[in-house]
Amino acid sequence: EVQLVESGGGLVQPGGSLRLSCAASGFTFSNYEMSWVRQAPGKGLEWVSYIDNSGSTIYYADSVKGRFTISRDNAKNSLYLQMNSLRAEDTAVYYCARDSPPYDYWGQGTLVTVSS
Amino acid sequence: EIVMTQSPATLSVSPGERATLSCRASQSVSSNLAWYQQKPGQAPRLLIYGASTRATGIPARFSGSGSGTEFTLTISSLQSEDFAVYYCQQYNNWPRGTFGGGTKVEIK
Repeated sequence: EVQLVESGGGLVQPGGSLRLSCAASGFTFSNYEMSWVRQAPGKGLEWVSYIDNSGSTIYYADSVKGRFTISRDNAKNSLYLQMNSLRAEDTAVYYCARDSPPYDYWGQGTLVTVSS
Repeated sequence: EIVMTQSPATLSVSPGERATLSCRASQSVSSNLAWYQQKPGQAPRLLIYGASTRATGIPARFSGSGSGTEFTLTISSLQSEDFAVYYCQQYNNWPRGTFGGGTKVEIK
């Protein structure tokens, strides 16, 4: 059974940093591209970042470019999102998703709240 | 950026009735269109990809159609578990897939 489990969310002050993790199981992680997608409270879905299966090709949404860094460790079956210079508008549930495309499996999400 | 527009924003339907949801792209996305279902407090679930192919385990009452810029998700006979928010997503401009704003299907 495919499982994606996010962790690392929490409350952080504006300008702060947070690192999200996504633990994958039930499939050969190194064969799949992955993405982060977020959802602000009561709002729709927004793609954040993409990484190919080897980690050599990476893309970011304009809204996070220069502040967020996506990475992966295929030996640990894990995906990461390093978030720096956080803003109030980054407050959202962050999902990791297996990118086939489209997103055929999603984690349960982790809530990031940016507030003073 | 390809803009995806869903209509209506809210659809009130009685159990057992048919629901028809629309999604329009600002430019052609070919058949690179997916539909997701999201229930409160849960992650989205893939229903349809390639505009018309049901994902694994999705009941036959869900069907998708369309190509280019106009797409439709039809739920043939609404069950209680189908009341949720539905999102379309284009992945023609992959990996910068953009989502529609969602359609909430509520009980009439």
